[in-house]
Amino acid sequence: EAGVAQSPRYKIIEKRQSVAFWCNPISGHATLYWYQQILGQGPKLLIQFQNNGVVDDSQLPKDRFSAERLKGVDSTLKIQPAKLEDSAVYLCASSASGEGRHEQFFGPGTRLTVL
Amino acid sequence: QKEVEQDPGPLSVPEGAIVSLNCTYSNSAFQYFMWYRQYSRKGPELLMYTYSSGNKEDGRFTAQVDKSSKYISLFIRDSQPSDSATYLCAMTSHAGKSTFGDGTTLTVKP
Repeated sequence: EAGVAQSPRYKIIEKRQSVAFWCNPISGHATLYWYQQILGQGPKLLIQFQNNGVVDDSQLPKDRFSAERLKGVDSTLKIQPAKLEDSAVYLCASSASGEGRHEQFFGPGTRLTVL
Repeated sequence: QKEVEQDPGPLSVPEGAIVSLNCTYSNSAFQYFMWYRQYSRKGPELLMYTYSSGNKEDGRFTAQVDKSSKYISLFIRDSQPSDSATYLCAMTSHAGKSTFGDGTTLTVKP
């Protein structure tokens, strides 16, 4: 079974530029999550999708961050414009429905550096 | 105050030692309790998952949950150098939202 795929793995941009991250979850997983992990901290949930609908985006800075999950499969997370404090690893995770819904499988992450 | 507090570490132990990792939480809505292991420059991977008070064992790993005290622990027996990683506790509400601790970095020295 293929895992969660993310790209790019690394990205360096200057502040005020835009950036986009892509995630392909495990096939058949209905729920997709985007997390931000700042160095030395645990992952913080940014947004949670159930199929192509948003379940929770309460911690997403909506003035600069946006995310979509078209057709309930792949997802993109965008930052526009980026700030220095956005430097972090952006993790995508997915989980199945039913019994396995609380087991999240994580991708390798995208490490963003904002200069 | 954070909803999930994790012993910060770092922790350094000799090979073969028993390791205890701990988290406390304040939100009574948390119903599911997980431990993830995260190697450097990798995503977290699920180690243990439980939803009731008591102990759950899987090989060298034992997860312990005490809902009355809002306290969870992960014990690693016969620790190995390959166990060197950051360990994250996570709590999930019935609605499916997970909150993570900040992690404890463990080093097991040969």
